[in-house]
Amino acid sequence: GAVVSQHPSWVICKSGTSVKIECRSLDFQATTMFWYRQFPKQSLMLMATSNEGSKATYEQGVEKDKFLINHASLTLSTLTVTSAHPEDSSFYICSATQEGGSGETQYFGPGTRLLVL
Amino acid sequence: DQQVKQNSPSLSVQEGRISILNCDYTNSMFDYFLWYKKYPAEGPTFLISISSIKDKNEDGRFTVFLNKSAKHLSLHIVPSQPGDSAVYFCAATGANNLFFGTGTRLTVIP
Repeated sequence: GAVVSQHPSWVICKSGTSVKIECRSLDFQATTMFWYRQFPKQSLMLMATSNEGSKATYEQGVEKDKFLINHASLTLSTLTVTSAHPEDSSFYICSATQEGGSGETQYFGPGTRLLVL
Repeated sequence: DQQVKQNSPSLSVQEGRISILNCDYTNSMFDYFLWYKKYPAEGPTFLISISSIKDKNEDGRFTVFLNKSAKHLSLHIVPSQPGDSAVYFCAATGANNLFFGTGTRLTVIP
């Protein structure tokens, strides 16, 4: 079955540094990748939608200069949290839809927990 | 391989009847399970959860059942309403990660 991986699964960094999170579709080509942030009560907030080869579409309220998304290939999208601050500490999850699929089936990565000190 | 599976991509139910969404998992270390509801262009919204020490959790019209021996959980919605039409994801966690199924689209027919 389709698998999405994220790396790293855990990251601790100092305030002011930048952190890059990778999202890979391991055995399929992903037309679209989504980036989510988990908020209290376990709901996921959609941060941005990323299509290969084009600029990401950011949701309202998400700073595109702070959360840089690059989708350079059909199997890899990266989220870079620039100049991270403690309020950026959260659980970040990516998901991907398969090329040629219905578009509704989403394959989620296992998430990356970011702690900014 | 997928550790959490939702084998039915879609389900249609008549309004007022029961909707049953199923989810299977493979990792016996999972100890907390969640159901999310997702509308188009939005992130999944938390719906209901269950800990592995329980086999049932109820919240209004929503009930989640957990069968640990079968590594199976299900979400029951009764009575189903047209506003329940959405994609439902189940998820499981054992430590730091959250593993999702691929979703089931529920359509409640008025």
